[in-house]
Amino acid sequence: DGGITQSPKYLFRKEGQNVTLSCEQNLNHDAMYWYRQDPGQGLRLIYYSQIVNDFQKGDIAEGYSVSREKKESFPLTVTSAQKNPTAFYLCASSIKENTEAFFGQGTRLTVV
Amino acid sequence: AQSVTQLGSHVSVSEGALVLLRCNYSSSVPPYLFWYVQYPNQGLQLLLKYTSAATLVKGINGFEAEFKKSETSFHLTKPSAHMSDAAEYFCAVSVGGAQKLVFGQGTRLTINP
Repeated sequence: DGGITQSPKYLFRKEGQNVTLSCEQNLNHDAMYWYRQDPGQGLRLIYYSQIVNDFQKGDIAEGYSVSREKKESFPLTVTSAQKNPTAFYLCASSIKENTEAFFGQGTRLTVV
Repeated sequence: AQSVTQLGSHVSVSEGALVLLRCNYSSSVPPYLFWYVQYPNQGLQLLLKYTSAATLVKGINGFEAEFKKSETSFHLTKPSAHMSDAAEYFCAVSVGGAQKLVFGQGTRLTINP
């Protein structure tokens, strides 16, 4: 089955630790995205990538980093510089501009 | 820059009643518009999309939306609500040349028995 796989579904980390969230897609999509979701705030774009080895900051990139070494993979690292990392993180992909995005099932990160 | 406003963070309707979720967009050029649904602790699923073809768009699960350029609106409707429609709904806009989607704040739909 084609789709987007995010792992793990739940993640707990201690404050001050970096953590990497995995996102893999087998849809052969060029574009991939990371969104953060907080209650009552909708989805906010962290980073996006339109092609391998290239990515752009979204609206809330501070404290996050990404890489796009392979077309199918777009991991997100939440660094210790992110002030409020506890949130629900969603990865998405789309085949090209102005087409719908397909979403993974999300990773809920809790930092204690 | 484009933006999306969803009127009403929480809508409650009775089972069998009409569902109306409001979405207004701001864009200086013709937009592409989407409605997504999210169930608790899940990702988003596409309900329907407008891409400059027919202004009345039919989607999955009996939902439809009408693009009204004069009102800059793209409201989502369903004639008869079902308990399984309880979820959070997001409207999103994408403008030509900008590959990223901009989402509204979301509307939580509750269905009363």
